[in-house]
Amino acid sequence: GESVGLHLPTLSVQEGDNSIINCAYSNSASDYFIWYKQESGKGPQFIIDIRSNMDKRQGQRVTVLLNKTVKHLSLQIAATQPGDSAVYFCAENNAGNMLTFGGGTRLMVKP
Amino acid sequence: DGGITQSPKYLFRKEGQNVTLSCEQNLNHDAMYWYRQDPGQGLRLIYYSQIVNDFQKGDIAEGYSVSREKKESFPLTVTSAQKNPTAFYLCASSWGRDQPQHFGDGTRLSIL
Repeated sequence: GESVGLHLPTLSVQEGDNSIINCAYSNSASDYFIWYKQESGKGPQFIIDIRSNMDKRQGQRVTVLLNKTVKHLSLQIAATQPGDSAVYFCAENNAGNMLTFGGGTRLMVKP
Repeated sequence: DGGITQSPKYLFRKEGQNVTLSCEQNLNHDAMYWYRQDPGQGLRLIYYSQIVNDFQKGDIAEGYSVSREKKESFPLTVTSAQKNPTAFYLCASSWGRDQPQHFGDGTRLSIL
């Protein structure tokens, strides 16, 4: 499949370990944040979202943490599996209906 | 199944030619979006539409045009004025602000 990013930061983890992917966002007025997963040659897939009135939200095997003080967002994946290998993007909504996307992080899971 | 369909998956453009990328959604979403993705970069917004017969320019609208004549359709035309059109184009839709955008599987455009 096609590469979605040739020079992305890469996180390499062992299968079964927990993964933490970080994102710094730019606008202190942003009030809605989303994490997406993108596999090669496909469109981004919604993982989890969080609003600014929360600092933590959990899904199935995933947790998003929001630190508004330092404008930092993280995605934690528990018991990482080979199928989790992909590029992960954070996005912030700071005006109208527009999302601003981060540059992405490539997650590689070693068996 | 509900979702967003982009076609074609691969598209080739000759110099000086306009090409149109299709995006159709059956999610009944009001808002639709077009993004461009280049290697090593995130998604950049080209155009978006919050309602039928209305659309706004995004960050990189030059060389592109759109229409929104029907709620479910938001085609993107890459004109000959776009001098560097080679990229992966993604269409998305959502209920609106504070709701996640759902993406199609993209169209990869290349120059012959």
